[in-house]
Amino acid sequence: GQQLNQSPQSMFIQEGEDVSMNCTSSSIFNTWLWYKQDPGEGPVLLIALYKAGELTSNGRLTAQFGITRKDSFLNISASIPSDVGIYFCAGQSNFGNEKLTFGTGTRLTIIP
Amino acid sequence: DGGITQSPKYLFRKEGQNVTLSCEQNLNHDAMYWYRQDPGQGLRLIYYSQIVNDFQKGDIAEGYSVSREKKESFPLTVTSAQKNPTAFYLCATSKGLVWRTDTQYFGPGTRLTVL
Repeated sequence: GQQLNQSPQSMFIQEGEDVSMNCTSSSIFNTWLWYKQDPGEGPVLLIALYKAGELTSNGRLTAQFGITRKDSFLNISASIPSDVGIYFCAGQSNFGNEKLTFGTGTRLTIIP
Repeated sequence: DGGITQSPKYLFRKEGQNVTLSCEQNLNHDAMYWYRQDPGQGLRLIYYSQIVNDFQKGDIAEGYSVSREKKESFPLTVTSAQKNPTAFYLCATSKGLVWRTDTQYFGPGTRLTVL
């Protein structure tokens, strides 16, 4: 199955820094989702995007649905230790008719 | 307490044995999914079900089987035919086709280790 290109694969940052990651696809998506996964746990939904150009925030997290419908971005401002984990993007082509396609994840590590 | 329950959290089995992983939800969601996650990789879809008594193969269904006899339950059986069953298994649900959204919510996962 298709997988999204998610970058970077890993990030090492200091506490307080801002973080940016993105996902790109060769296909157009109608839905973009961003999840965070802690070690040994299931992914937790952070932000859902349903409209091209949409910019949505959830606390210190902001995600955008790219105008081309082929990409999405996630930003984390002023990172804190609990932001550590793996962030996954996921896209869907048609509402309810197509399966979600997941990115390969961005592993975020915060250096003390 | 609403949510998705997967049990057990950790499971150990001998090679050649079938094993069934449980997934229960009380979110009243129509659709349920099983994913497999290997270290350093994304999620790969094993099986999914949009409605009771119906299910479809995902991208890596070989060596797995499922049933959907009740809306709340979607058990996954890892059979002896699965060549490399050791992995982290995740169950997910979504409201389904009627709601025109496939935003999925995940359970806590089951880590299966085959010895």
